[in-house]
Amino acid sequence: EVQLVDSGGGLVQPGGSLKLSCAASGFIFSDSALHWVRQASGKGLEWIGRIRTKPNNYETAYAASVEGRFTISRDDSKNTAYLQMNSLNDDDTAVYYCARHVEYSALPRIWGQGTMVTVSS
Amino acid sequence: VMTQSPVSLPVTPGEPASISCRSSQSLLSRNGYNYLDWYVQKPGQSPQLLIYLASNRASGVPDRFSGSGSGTDFTLKISRVEAEDVGIYYCMQAYRTLWTFGQGTKVEIK
Repeated sequence: EVQLVDSGGGLVQPGGSLKLSCAASGFIFSDSALHWVRQASGKGLEWIGRIRTKPNNYETAYAASVEGRFTISRDDSKNTAYLQMNSLNDDDTAVYYCARHVEYSALPRIWGQGTMVTVSS
Repeated sequence: VMTQSPVSLPVTPGEPASISCRSSQSLLSRNGYNYLDWYVQKPGQSPQLLIYLASNRASGVPDRFSGSGSGTDFTLKISRVEAEDVGIYYCMQAYRTLWTFGQGTKVEIK
């Protein structure tokens, strides 16, 4: 089965850090760019960043709202992508989703089920 | 910018429904694909892919859902709405690195 499984969410204090994981199965992970999207309660969807593949030098890009605080990485040997989140604040409280995108292809996007991050004291 | 309309769509079961999505820039890639997806999000669930590349139904999606359009203007149609179709529908462009989403259309039963 083609799927992504998000994990690592939880409660963290303002200013704290958290690392999310996105585990892939059922497809060639190393051929896929991985994006992260979040959704605050009752709000719309917000793209926060992505990491490309090895042939594209694992290039990363981030939304302005998280630039300098969040870092996306991947371990193709483990079929897993990561979202390291530092200096968290209340506005970062959201469900975080990873999503697969095979660039320049006709393959559909695949999303994980999401993991909840709550920033609160 | 992705502009979706309407924001709210009350529908009668068995009747058709249509949602529009307009992009401020063309989503047509040089490879001929329009990188425009449609998702539905039901309460407490993650977004579920309905349509990808503007007009391709995702696996398992009923054939009452269809997508059309190219370039900047896209439409999601439900030929005969069923009660289970309630939820928030989003369009999303995956043409540019920074994915952007429509603001969502809430479909509810009259």
